[in-house]
Amino acid sequence: GAVVSQHPSRVICKSGTSVKIECRSLDFQATTMFWYRQFPKQSLMLMATSNEGSKATYEQGVEKDKFLINHASLTLSTLTVTSAHPEDSSFYICSARSGSFNTDTQYFGPGTRLTVL
Amino acid sequence: AQTVTQSQPEMSVQEAETVTLSCTYDTSENNYYLFWYKQPPSRQMILVIRQEAYKQQNATENRFSVNFQKAAKSFSLKISDSQLGDTAMYFCAFKAQGGSEKLVFGKGTKLTVNP
Repeated sequence: GAVVSQHPSRVICKSGTSVKIECRSLDFQATTMFWYRQFPKQSLMLMATSNEGSKATYEQGVEKDKFLINHASLTLSTLTVTSAHPEDSSFYICSARSGSFNTDTQYFGPGTRLTVL
Repeated sequence: AQTVTQSQPEMSVQEAETVTLSCTYDTSENNYYLFWYKQPPSRQMILVIRQEAYKQQNATENRFSVNFQKAAKSFSLKISDSQLGDTAMYFCAFKAQGGSEKLVFGKGTKLTVNP
């Protein structure tokens, strides 16, 4: 149980284009979803927290107009990197928290490696 | 603000032996949760074990167990009978009960299990 998927697992795009990453909770309803960024050999950096049907809460220093987050249903959240630039190249990981079991625990997706040329 | 410290950037252990990864944290909260996550080379973050601070009994999950010392704010992870598949980054994380949803992560310990 508590499986979270992400799609795509890898994406390469040209500078200036937009990329959408999907995060799905497969066997539970996710009250809250989280988006992280991880640089090589570093820990996870929280970008934003989203609750279903609400606007996302962004961490300080994260541009909300650049990293658009939509949490339209209890099983799906999307992160859109708009007008991507090479410095946006990174590993993006989502996590989800159930509203009904282990409500304190985040379950993570497998991550998406974004490369911007 | 809470902080989580993992003082061992890298560790290694021989297969079948036991290894302990250390984690300390700082908080003024009384009720909280602590976690160990494993990130193997695939980079999938996997929950290894969780501990509720109000429980005195140390959590165990098969070969993984913790030594939770609330007064000392210490939360070490013991891996028994280490296996090659245990090779991974291990992150200690803290979450306050109620209030913020955020997980506060340590910087991680890279564990290598040698054959």
